[in-house]
Amino acid sequence: ETGVTQTPRHLVMGMTNKKSLKCEQHLGHNAMYWYKQSAKKPLELMFVYSLEERVENNSVPSRFSPECPNSSHLFLHLHTLQPEDSALYLCASSQEGGSSGANVLTFGAGSRLTVL
Amino acid sequence: GQNIDQPTEMTATEGAIVQINCTYQTSGFNGLFWYQQHAGEAPTFLSYNVLDGLEEKGRFSSFLSRSKGYSYLLLKELQMKDSASYLCAVMDSNYQLIWGAGTKLIIKP
Repeated sequence: ETGVTQTPRHLVMGMTNKKSLKCEQHLGHNAMYWYKQSAKKPLELMFVYSLEERVENNSVPSRFSPECPNSSHLFLHLHTLQPEDSALYLCASSQEGGSSGANVLTFGAGSRLTVL
Repeated sequence: GQNIDQPTEMTATEGAIVQINCTYQTSGFNGLFWYQQHAGEAPTFLSYNVLDGLEEKGRFSSFLSRSKGYSYLLLKELQMKDSASYLCAVMDSNYQLIWGAGTKLIIKP
C-alpha cells in the first residue's frame, strides 16, 4: 500500500455508539492530521500530531478523541456524536521541516460519517 | 479574522481555459497552496506559491500577488477529468493553513 489509507470509507452510527476511524501513512512523514470536511465549508483542522506530540484545536468537542500510537498510525475515537457531526473526515500527513519550505499535505480519501 | 474567498462554482467548456480566483486576508503569509479534489476522493496537491508571479506546470498555472492578497489557478485545454473541486489555502504567520471553501468546477462537452 502507498500513500495515506483510511478505514472505514463509510460509517453509519447512532448517537450512543462508540466507533473509531483509522488512518495509516506509508510515506515516512513526521506529522499527521485530522480534518473535518462539510459541504460548502472550508476544511476544519481538528488535531495535529507533530513528531508524535499532539497539538490540539481547543474548539473540538471532547466526543472526538485522537490517538497516535506511532508516526504511521492515527485514530479518531468517536463517542456520543451528534447528527451535526455527520461529515467527511480526512486524514493527512506531511513532512515538517523539509528544505523546500512548503509543508505539502498528502490526504487520504476520507471516512464518510453519518450520525443518525 | 482570517478569510479566504473563492467562487462556489464555475462552469467551463471542454478545450477552453478557466481561471479560478482566490483572495485572502490572513495574519501574515507563508505561502499559498492549491489542491484538487475529485468527488469522493482525496484532495491532491497542485501548486505552491510563496513569491509573486506565475508558476506553470503543464496545463495548470498558479499566480500570486502578495500585495493584492490574490491568487488564481489557470487551467488550459480543459478536459472532462478536470471536473473537480479546487481548494485554495494560505499558510499564515503561525504556519497554520487557512482554507477556502473550494470552487466546484464543472466541465461541459
